Amino acid sequence: AQSVTQPDIHITVSEGASLELRCNYSYGATPYLFWYVQSPGQGLQLLLKYFSGDTLVQGIKGFEAEFKRSQSSFNLRKPSVHWSDAAEYFCAGPEMNRDDKIIFGKGTRLHILP
Amino acid sequence: DTGVSQDPRHKITKRGQNVTFRCDPISEHNRLYWYRQTLGQGPEFLTYFQNEAQLEKSRLLSDRFSAERPKGSFSTLEIQRTEQGDSAMYLCASSSTGPPSLFFGSGTQLSVL
Repeated sequence: AQSVTQPDIHITVSEGASLELRCNYSYGATPYLFWYVQSPGQGLQLLLKYFSGDTLVQGIKGFEAEFKRSQSSFNLRKPSVHWSDAAEYFCAGPEMNRDDKIIFGKGTRLHILP
Repeated sequence: DTGVSQDPRHKITKRGQNVTFRCDPISEHNRLYWYRQTLGQGPEFLTYFQNEAQLEKSRLLSDRFSAERPKGSFSTLEIQRTEQGDSAMYLCASSSTGPPSLFFGSGTQLSVL
């Protein structure tokens, strides 16, 4: 069963605007969760991760994400996007009842308007 | 730390040929993963190793796919009798034990003609 879902296939925002990419998860216990970014033809780069503790996680490139157990969400945010943020973003987490196998959402393609 | 490296970056082959890809993980990482990614999709789990032991292979993988990790260092992924449906990006990632933070290579883009 899919453990993480990304409801938005494409998101378009204007340069300088704020951004929020959605990720929902399904677990019994507190999960650990990740956000990755992928530029065309490249591998995936880890933006940030949540394991436990503070539910607001800071990452690279000015990104942050907040773990909300009540909403089963781990949304990625950035207060002001730059044209270079245009890429594919993937939420990831462990398969149900596993801690060694990471599965990925289908991704959200971010488009930036000048 | 040189990161995860994959070779080749691109591979074009004819249907029915065998291909082999190589992955060199981050040296201190004992886990190594292979994923496959097609256009517009997220990475799909194929198999993973802890040291030299292959601990899981996806049920989605046919018997034409095999992976090895001799001595727990680099890994190879071989596809025999390639088919057009094998065309994809093949990604390798490594991590240390525990909740895995995966570090990815740049991938091998396979095109089967």
